[in-house]
Amino acid sequence: QVQLVESGGGVVQPGRSLRLSCAASGFTFSSYGMQWVRQAPGKGLEWVAVISYDGSNEYYGDSVKGRFTISRDNSKNTLYLQMNSLRAEDTAVYYCAKRQIQWVDSGAFDPWGQGTLVTVSS
Amino acid sequence: ATQLTQSPSSLSASVGDRVTITCRASQGIGSALAWYQQKPGKAPKLLIYDASSLESGVPSRFSGSGSGTDFTLTISSLQPEDFATYYCQQFNSYPALTFGGGTKVEIK
Repeated sequence: QVQLVESGGGVVQPGRSLRLSCAASGFTFSSYGMQWVRQAPGKGLEWVAVISYDGSNEYYGDSVKGRFTISRDNSKNTLYLQMNSLRAEDTAVYYCAKRQIQWVDSGAFDPWGQGTLVTVSS
Repeated sequence: ATQLTQSPSSLSASVGDRVTITCRASQGIGSALAWYQQKPGKAPKLLIYDASSLESGVPSRFSGSGSGTDFTLTISSLQPEDFATYYCQQFNSYPALTFGGGTKVEIK
């Protein structure tokens, strides 16, 4: 079955970098767009970034633009989120999610991974 | 960027109640809206896509309606397992695929 497993979270000091990974299995990864979404403790969902199925298009939320980079390696069935210049307000659980429909840059996302916690603190 | 405003932010209801949650977009988004359910400590789960289409495996007591700027998620008869937080997300207006602020459904 479709499975998304995030990894790479942990405690990091402000200003440092971290790279998250999302390992995909159970579907043709290269056919689906992917997104990253985060949720600060006790808060709602915040959209972070999206990438098209072939990596040709990527978009970012205003709060992470210029600091975070979404990418994918279709040969490894893996999605990444490179996070630079981290701030305390980036502390959150980060989820990856797969587009519902292949070959398109629109539509809902399902399923989602279980999330990985990033804590930015000195 | 298109903003999504959900209301109410929380509600208390009893098992068997009919529950309605609203999501209003700051500009027209056609039918490019999804609804997700999230339980504490768990990842969100897709319930409704394209504003009114029920995701496979989701109970028929869930339904979605609306287009343009005004959307509704309805639970026809609230069940114990439905107590959760519900979010809308739009995917019409790039570059931001925004979420609503969420609606927490609690037991009365």
